[in-house]
This record gives sequence, structure tokens and C-alpha cells, in this order.
Amino acid sequence: KNQVEQSPQSLIILEGKNCTLQCNYTVSPFSNLRWYKQDTGRGPVSLTIMTFSENTKSNGRYTATLDADTKQSSLHITASQLSDSASYICVVSERDSNYQLIWGAGTKLIIKP
Amino acid sequence: DAGITQSPRYKITETGRQVTLMCHQTWSHSYMFWYRQDLGHGLRLIYYSAAADITDKGEVPDGYVVSRSKTENFPLTLESATRSQTSVYFCASSASGGLLSYEQYFGPGTRLTVT
Repeated sequence: KNQVEQSPQSLIILEGKNCTLQCNYTVSPFSNLRWYKQDTGRGPVSLTIMTFSENTKSNGRYTATLDADTKQSSLHITASQLSDSASYICVVSERDSNYQLIWGAGTKLIIKP
Repeated sequence: DAGITQSPRYKITETGRQVTLMCHQTWSHSYMFWYRQDLGHGLRLIYYSAAADITDKGEVPDGYVVSRSKTENFPLTLESATRSQTSVYFCASSASGGLLSYEQYFGPGTRLTVT
């Protein structure tokens, strides 16, 4: 069964610190992997999309990595800010489907001043 | 520049009632999607549409009906609401499907409570 699992479920860090969120997936065949940020009470917003051939992608202070061999991805946040408090969701697309996205349950990140 | 909007933002209804959630996008995107989000779970696809008058079931379609007579609108109807349909509903649109790495853009969500 295609699954996406994220860890940790929740994380609290101090403002200015770095953190790394993990994503493991069993989706096959693989098409692409996305990271979304979801603020409380809002819809998800895309941070990065990576295909099979990409192993690193950055968007400002967010850097996503992908190891397609081990089926793992990580999202690294540098110099965290209070506005980074949100849920971060890993989403994997199945290659043979033109609509099917497999969503992780998300990591809830809280940045404390 | 509205993007993608949903209405209502909040809705309380009684078991057995019919309720329609509205979704409107201004980008002329071909694909539109309805998801539900429940605490502790990832988003689950209810229905999607590849173009006007083309709709198909997602992962959890039972109890829901959709239509797409115009490209920009994609209403979701709960024909006879049940308590298990209490959830946050998100509409999304995309220039293409997930296969081609196109981004999905999400609306603000509708929080539906069925009593």
C-alpha cells in the first residue's frame, strides 16, 4: 500500500534555531515529491516539488532533500522565524496516476521566541 | 486577483440535510480537486475534475456528489450529511494533474460541522 510517513509528529524549537523534518514513503512507481506548508486555518501552500533526478531543492530558508533509492526526504529550515510555525506536509505523487497524491499527516512545528 | 475561493468558510448543519460547498477559481486551471482533512490524517481526495463536464472519484467519494458545468466552478454536495462528514474541506486547482509536477493551489477551506 502506498504510504507517506512523517516524523516527528510535532516539534518545538526556539526562534533562530535550525530544524530538520523527515519523510519516508513507500509510493511506487515514484513521480515527484512535494513539501507543503499549512498555516493554522489555511490551505496548504507549496514549498518545493522534486522529481526523481533532483536530490536537493531550496526555497529561501527551506531546503528539501530527496534520496529516491532509500525513499526518504527531509526538509531543513534554517534560522527559524516565528512565522515558520505551521504544519509541514510531505506529499508523494505516483507515476502512473495523473491525479493521485499521497499525503503525509504532517509535522506540526512551533517556533518559540 | 482572487485566485481560488471557497464558500461558506464555516457551516453547521444537521444530520440528513443536504449541503453544498462552493469552490471558484480565476486561473482557468483545467484540474480541480476536493479534499477533506481530518485531525491526525493526511488530506484525502474526494473527487477531482480534469475539465468541465469531466469528473471522477477519488479515495473517499461515498456520500458526496460533484458537478463541473463551468471551468471555474466545482461545487461539492453532501446529499444527506452524516456526523462522519464533519471535517475541513479544501478545494484545489492545478494547470495539470500530479503526474506532470504541476502545483496544486488550495483554497482557504470550509469547516463543516454536522450535528
